[in-house]
Amino acid sequence: DIVMTQSPDSLAVSLGERATINCKSSQSVLNSSNNKNYLAWYQQKPGQPPKLVIYWASTRESGVPDRFTGSGSGTDFTLTISSLQADDVAVYYCQQYYRVPCNFGQGTKLEIK
Amino acid sequence: QVQLVESGGGVVQPGRSLRLACAASGFTFITYGMHWVRQAPGKGLEWVALISYDGNTKYYADSVKGRFTISRDNSRNTLYLQMNSLRPEDTAVYSCAKPALGYQLLDPFDYWGQGTLVTVSS
Repeated sequence: DIVMTQSPDSLAVSLGERATINCKSSQSVLNSSNNKNYLAWYQQKPGQPPKLVIYWASTRESGVPDRFTGSGSGTDFTLTISSLQADDVAVYYCQQYYRVPCNFGQGTKLEIK
Repeated sequence: QVQLVESGGGVVQPGRSLRLACAASGFTFITYGMHWVRQAPGKGLEWVALISYDGNTKYYADSVKGRFTISRDNSRNTLYLQMNSLRPEDTAVYSCAKPALGYQLLDPFDYWGQGTLVTVSS
């Protein structure tokens, strides 16, 4: 199984500042045949289901603000929020969909400092 | 618009069974594989099971293998999760999730249901 590990577990950032969340997979999720990383990021607010933010490691889902950026390849990935807004407070999860089981990271709780 | 509505949750004693359902609408259900994901209270997301668009391919998390069965009725646009031999650690909100692309077994989930709470307790 591919194990997904996020860091940090929680993060407090001031409004307008940059937030960075890391995700590491125990095996590469890069498919060399199409050069795509099978890595997604989700945002979950209290009482709501997760919302897809980024897929293929760096493609923003429709409607997601451009302050959200995904980067990385192979086993190391990053979600960056360039200028934190109050609406971004949530738990963020990475997920690999390269192999079954399509595991999630443990989550990173993002708060306002 | 896409809608996924789960039902069937409740309180059940350890060792008993429960069947969850996920009613899908707003997309061509028969062309999408579907997943179940669960979230224990205050915990993270755990992938549970997936089924191909035609029902012929199924995968399970090790934690539920041999106890849970995923199935679908494409004539009713409904996904199911039969849960047997339930344990206290199965207590969670169970949500169905739709992959972004049709016919793909593995794809990011672009729609999720609100979930149904299963509590396993004596």
